[in-house]
Amino acid sequence: ETGVTQSPTHLIKTRGQQVTLRCSSQSGHNTVSWYQQALGQGPQFIFQYYREEENGRGNFPPRFSGLQFPNYSSELNVNALELDDSALYLCASSLVGSSLHGYTFGSGTRLTVV
Amino acid sequence: AQSVSQHNHHVILSEAASLELGCNYSYGGTVNLFWYVQYPGQHLQLLLKYFSGDPLVKGIKGFEAEFIKSKFSFNLRKPSVQWSDTAEYFCAVRGNAGNMLTFGGGTRLMVKP
Repeated sequence: ETGVTQSPTHLIKTRGQQVTLRCSSQSGHNTVSWYQQALGQGPQFIFQYYREEENGRGNFPPRFSGLQFPNYSSELNVNALELDDSALYLCASSLVGSSLHGYTFGSGTRLTVV
Repeated sequence: AQSVSQHNHHVILSEAASLELGCNYSYGGTVNLFWYVQYPGQHLQLLLKYFSGDPLVKGIKGFEAEFIKSKFSFNLRKPSVQWSDTAEYFCAVRGNAGNMLTFGGGTRLMVKP
């Protein structure tokens, strides 16, 4: 089975710019979640997409938005980048509907905002 | 809101020493519990998970964890660590209100050869 792939692996952006991160979910999974992991901290839940709609959101402002496509891949968009947005962004896929479902994480995109 | 607390931020052990990493959570309902490991430069990997049943859960690489409901704890243990266990370990909780995981702050383990 394929895992979760994220692109790009590293990215440098300037404050105020916009960025799009991409994620291909594991084969057979129908849900994608995004997490932000700041340096030295645990991942924090941004939002989740199921059936191409957002169905859960953490404590992140509206400038963090996303999409899920019919093939279950996903994008995370961040507008008006701030220095504090510098972090590792993780994508995780899962199969909602399976009673014992877990998550498969990608290797992440390291975003640096300067 | 659910929260997870990992009390040990950094742990240094010698090879063959025993390991126990603490994890406490705050949530009033039924929970699913997870331990993940993140080796340097690699993605989060699932060590073990608890959904229901036997509160002593065995995972990969000789790790195990015990769910103690009365203490809201899910501590990770390994009887004898190896240098290759050097990594960061994260405890996570999923409540029944949604599919999101809430992570603890992580414990960075260094095993000296």
